[in-house]
Amino acid sequence: GDQVKQSPSALSLQEGTNSALRCNFSIATTTVQWFLQNPRGSLMNLFYLVPGTKENGRLKSTFNSKESYSTLHIRDAQLEDSGTYFCAADDTNAYKVIFGKGTHLHVLP
Amino acid sequence: GGIITQTPKFLIGQEGQKLTLKCQQNFNHDTMYWYRQDSGKGLRLIYYSITENDLQKGDLSEGYDASREKKSSFSLTVTSAQKNEMAVFLCASSIPGLSNERLFFGHGTKLSVL
Repeated sequence: GDQVKQSPSALSLQEGTNSALRCNFSIATTTVQWFLQNPRGSLMNLFYLVPGTKENGRLKSTFNSKESYSTLHIRDAQLEDSGTYFCAADDTNAYKVIFGKGTHLHVLP
Repeated sequence: GGIITQTPKFLIGQEGQKLTLKCQQNFNHDTMYWYRQDSGKGLRLIYYSITENDLQKGDLSEGYDASREKKSSFSLTVTSAQKNEMAVFLCASSIPGLSNERLFFGHGTKLSVL
């Protein structure tokens, strides 16, 4: 099975609404990263997390290492938030970073 | 700040051809990675390297070779391109440290095989 499992796989939101993306891990991990891939393909690093919570503007992310999951909350969604969101976890036993399959987000006007 | 440069940006190959993709970083990062992304899908790890001359296989290493000639450089070779193959290959590097793997990405190489 997937070592880093993202949900949902796809999501449509009305502009101005809120939502949460989730990432579950079946590997031992100490850090989580969230990326946004824009329609041109570039990957932008949103958050780099140790266990805890970080906030940046309309985005907030939490990493719960005990329960092996991370969430990314989007508040007041804007059209430019559209793209694919990836979470990635470092596999502490194998010294590599593993990605989820992504959540395709489409913000509707 | 540093930069990761991937060359070429676009690569068109013939079936059966051996193709090489290059990646350079000036962050002085120890670890470098090659990921493959197929259209609409996530990133899958092909090879990574934790230091110069080191190579570690990822989940998708079959059909690829890699070489970490020096700390700043990590190249990937498609040993025999598959007909109609289309994918983006992303190179990344990370800040040193076993538990501190923040990734920085290049802009990718888009491969098309005729």
